[in-house]
Amino acid sequence: DAKTTQPPSMDCAEGRAANLPCNHSTISGNEYVYWYRQIHSQGPQYIIHGLKNNETNEMASLIITEDRKSSTLILPHATLRDTAVYYCIVETGANNLFFGTGTRLTVIP
Amino acid sequence: EAQVTQNPRYLITVTGKKLTVTCSQNMNHEYMSWYRQDPGLGLRQIYYSMNVEVTDKGDVPEGYKVSRKEKRNFPLILESPSPNQTSLYFCASSLARHPSLNEQFFGPGTRLTVL
Repeated sequence: DAKTTQPPSMDCAEGRAANLPCNHSTISGNEYVYWYRQIHSQGPQYIIHGLKNNETNEMASLIITEDRKSSTLILPHATLRDTAVYYCIVETGANNLFFGTGTRLTVIP
Repeated sequence: EAQVTQNPRYLITVTGKKLTVTCSQNMNHEYMSWYRQDPGLGLRQIYYSMNVEVTDKGDVPEGYKVSRKEKRNFPLILESPSPNQTSLYFCASSLARHPSLNEQFFGPGTRLTVL
């Protein structure tokens, strides 16, 4: 399965954009990039996913590089409630999924 | 409301005493799975099910069993729990395993302590 690499932690000032990077250099052409987040010990929450084109929804934007080897999740105006662990996952369609350890984002007042 | 429910939410038990953690979803999802989460190790998949009567091992299946007799339910069974199974457990479901359709919905978690 294609694996991902994320920084273990990041800080972001409240009200500023949070840009969370993810490397997935072994991604294949038909594999999607998914992002989830986990607030404290709650169940992970789906945020967004994409294949090639940039995507935007009410929560975030996803920017995927042209070669698809990396992506960035953008929270346009981070709030304290966005403090969480963010997981970048390559969805291969295989039967099992690999979440990894994610990036712990701390939004600072 | 679309949701995944788990019971119990918290459980303290002793080594060797069989237990079952239930998971139920009301979204008619085909795919369901169980994860465990331990400090520093992230989420690791235990078992998954593609549909009724179809289950398979994830990355850390040892010591666990599952069944999928109905589409909505996917219980996790620990026949003889051991202290190394103390963990936070999550059940999840998704519409299907197609890569474009695999938005996963997670349950609230079950915190299990095995003494």
